[in-house]
Amino acid sequence: EAGVAQSPRYKIIEKRQSVAFWCNPISGHATLYWYQQILGQGPKLLIQFQNNGVVDDSQLPKDRFSAERLKGVDSTLKIQPAKLEDSAVYLCASSLSLHSGNTIYFGEGSWLTVV
Amino acid sequence: DQQVKQNSPSLSVQEGRISILNCDYTNSMFDYFLWYKKYPAEGPTFLISISSIKDKNEDGRFTVFLNKSAKHLSLHIVPSQPGDSAVYFCAASSANNNDMRFGAGTRLTVKP
Repeated sequence: EAGVAQSPRYKIIEKRQSVAFWCNPISGHATLYWYQQILGQGPKLLIQFQNNGVVDDSQLPKDRFSAERLKGVDSTLKIQPAKLEDSAVYLCASSLSLHSGNTIYFGEGSWLTVV
Repeated sequence: DQQVKQNSPSLSVQEGRISILNCDYTNSMFDYFLWYKKYPAEGPTFLISISSIKDKNEDGRFTVFLNKSAKHLSLHIVPSQPGDSAVYFCAASSANNNDMRFGAGTRLTVKP
């Protein structure tokens, strides 16, 4: 079974530039998550989708971050304009459904460096 | 607001001995707990989980213990192997959604 796919793996941009990350979840998984992991910290949830609807985006900095999952499968996360503090690993994850008890499976992450 | 805490940033253990990683949580609504393992340059991979209706779950060399009254869980690895060297994250979620909260991680080093 294919895992969660993410691209690009690595990206270096200058501050105030924009960047987009793409995620393809495990087939059949209705719930998709974007997490931000800053060095030395645990993953922090940015946004959670159930199919193509947003369930929770309370921790998404909406002035610069946006995400969509238009057809309920693939998702993109965009940062515009980027700040130095956005340097982190952006992890996409998916699970069968929304409910607790479902294991979340992570992709390998997209490593962003803002200079 | 750190609802899941791993107070030990690192742990070093000799090969063959037991590794014990600890995790505390504050939200009494959490009912599902997981441990993830992360190697450098990779995403976290699921290791083992436990539901709040249990106090122990075992899978091979890995055992997770849950003490609900103390809001504490631990991961035991016996015997520890050098390949277990990684960062271990504790995570928790509640029944009303799957918004999983993570601890900051504990870096385990198993020395040959």
